[in-house]
Amino acid sequence: DAGVTQSPTHLIKTRGQQVTLRCSPKSGHDTVSWYQQALGQGPQFIFQYYEEEERQRGNFPDRFSGHQFPNYSSELNVNALLLGDSALYLCASSSLDRDGNTIYFGEGSWLTVV
Amino acid sequence: QQQVKQSPQSLIVQKGGISIINCAYENTAFDYFPWYQQFPGKGPALLIAIRPDVSEKKEGRFTISFNKSAKQFSLHIMDSQPGDSATYFCAASPLDSGGSNYKLTFGKGTLLTVNP
Repeated sequence: DAGVTQSPTHLIKTRGQQVTLRCSPKSGHDTVSWYQQALGQGPQFIFQYYEEEERQRGNFPDRFSGHQFPNYSSELNVNALLLGDSALYLCASSSLDRDGNTIYFGEGSWLTVV
Repeated sequence: QQQVKQSPQSLIVQKGGISIINCAYENTAFDYFPWYQQFPGKGPALLIAIRPDVSEKKEGRFTISFNKSAKQFSLHIMDSQPGDSATYFCAASPLDSGGSNYKLTFGKGTLLTVNP
């Protein structure tokens, strides 16, 4: 049973560019959330997707957008990258009907903006 | 405004000792309280979680104690081992109208070092 998988694991982008990160949820999970973890900090909630719609959103600007596909996988897009966007981006999945609504995280995608 | 306050920032214990990490929350809507373990360069791994209808939950060497009236919860690691050396995060989430955990708010983390 594969856990939450994310790609790419590492990437370097230039300020002003756009980036797309990808996530496949744990088998049987239908809800995907994205978190940003700056170095030395706890993860910060970006948004959550369920049934292909953004259901909840944290305190992040509109430069951060996402998408969920019919197979429950998800993408996080960040436009007009800033140096401060450098962080570990974590995908988490859960399901109300499975695993007791527990939230599981992937290994993350390390984004460096130069 | 930090909704989940975690202490201590760092903790050093000897092998075989008990590690205790504490968290306090403010939002009474929080209904799910997990603890995550994170090794350098890795994503957070769920250790143990509790809901407010119980005061204690134990899984192996890990125990969560929960005090709803004080809005506090803690992680106890018994017989601490060098392999337990990692950063530990407490977190909390409310339930939405559908009963789903929808947003984890994390503490700032505790760096645990277990000396051999």
